[in-house]
Amino acid sequence: QVQLVQSGAEVKKPGASVKLSCKASGYSFTSYHMHWVRQAPGQGLEWMGVINCANGSIRNAREFQGRVTMTRDTSTTTVYMELLSLRSEDTAMYYCAKSPWFDPWGQGSLVTVSS
Amino acid sequence: NFMLTQPHSVSESPGKTVTISCTGSSGNIASNYVQWFQQRPGSAPTTVIYENTQRPSGVPDRFSGSIDSSSNSASLTISGLKTEDEAYYYCQSYDTTNQGVFGGGTKLTVL
Repeated sequence: QVQLVQSGAEVKKPGASVKLSCKASGYSFTSYHMHWVRQAPGQGLEWMGVINCANGSIRNAREFQGRVTMTRDTSTTTVYMELLSLRSEDTAMYYCAKSPWFDPWGQGSLVTVSS
Repeated sequence: NFMLTQPHSVSESPGKTVTISCTGSSGNIASNYVQWFQQRPGSAPTTVIYENTQRPSGVPDRFSGSIDSSSNSASLTISGLKTEDEAYYYCQSYDTTNQGVFGGGTKLTVL
C-alpha cells in the first residue's frame, strides 16, 4: 500500500537549520509530486511547498522563499525538506503528503525550536 | 492574497446532517479543485474529499462535497453523523499562481 514514513522528532536552537525526510513506498515515486505542510501547536494547516519527484523542481510558498529547500533522492524514494534560520515560530509538526490530492499523509515530524 | 474561510466550529447531534462551508476570498473557487481533510486529535490529516466531490476508497458515502460558484464556496456535508466524525475539517485549494491554500479549519462536535 502507499505509505509515507517521516523522520523523527528534532530539537533545534534558534538560527539553526533542520532537515526532515519522507520515505515513500507502494507507488511509482517519480510519477507524483510531494507536498510539505506544517501545523503549529493548536493551529491550522500551512502549505509550505511542493517538489516534483521526477525532475526536482520546486514551488515554495511565498512565506518560505529563501528559507526552505526541498530535494529528492530517486534511488531511495525519499524526499527531504530543509528549513533554515529557525525561529521559535517554526515549532510545529511537519507533514509530507503525496500529490495530487494530499493522499496519503506521512505521520508527521515534530520540530521544536528552543534556546 | 487568496484565502479560504471556514466557520470556527459547528455542532450537531448523532444521526443528523451537517454542512461545513469554505468560502473563497476572491476569484472563482471553481477554477481549482477543492479538497477536504479530516484531522482527529493527535493524528495526521486524512483526505475525505478530493476534486470537489470525489471520495477516496474507504471513505463512507456519508461524506459528500460540492461547489457553489454563485457564492464562491465549497461545502462538505456529512450525513448520518456518528460520534467518530468528531474532528477538525480543513478545506484546501490553490490560488491563481498555484500556491496551496488551506482554510482555517472547522471543529465539528457531535453531541
